[in-house]
Amino acid sequence: DAGVTQSPTHLIKTRGQQVTLRCSPKSGHDTVSWYQQALGQGPQFIFQYYEEEERQRGNFPDRFSGHQFPNYSSELNVNALLLGDSALYLCASSLHTGGFGYTFGSGTRLTVV
Amino acid sequence: AQSVTQLGSHVSVSEGALVLLRCNYSSSVPPYLFWYVQYPNQGLQLLLKYTSAATLVKGINGFEAEFKKSETSFHLTKPSAHMSDAAEYFCAVMGNGNKLVFGAGTILRVKS
Repeated sequence: DAGVTQSPTHLIKTRGQQVTLRCSPKSGHDTVSWYQQALGQGPQFIFQYYEEEERQRGNFPDRFSGHQFPNYSSELNVNALLLGDSALYLCASSLHTGGFGYTFGSGTRLTVV
Repeated sequence: AQSVTQLGSHVSVSEGALVLLRCNYSSSVPPYLFWYVQYPNQGLQLLLKYTSAATLVKGINGFEAEFKKSETSFHLTKPSAHMSDAAEYFCAVMGNGNKLVFGAGTILRVKS
């Protein structure tokens, strides 16, 4: 049973560029949440997608946007990258009906130079 | 709004000693609480969760946590530390809309 798959695992971008991160949820899950984990900090909630719509959003600027596809996979897009966007980006999938069964991927390490 | 505070950014124990990682929460509603472990360059793995059933929750790898409403605490314990327990541990509470709110984390070091 495949868990949550994230790609790429690492990438390096230059300030001002745009980046797209991808997430495939665990089989059977229909909800995807994205978290940003800066070095030495706990993960911070970015947003959550269900039925291809953004359902919740954390305290992140509009430069952060996302998308969910009919197969429940998701993308996180960040525009106009800043040095402070350097972090580990984690994707978590779950069932909308609840059950508290969150499964996290291994993350994408983004470095902005 | 829900929040958690983890006391101690670093904890060091000897192999075989008791592990105690502290977490206090703030919540205006009955909380759902979680402990996750993160090994270097990896994602988060769920250790255990409290969802208003038994107050003593047993998890994987010999860890357990006790929910104490009077103390607003959910401390993580393990009777005997193993070298493989060295990692970073995060306490989290479920916020509005099923999002997780994490603490800052505690790095556990296990000395041989």
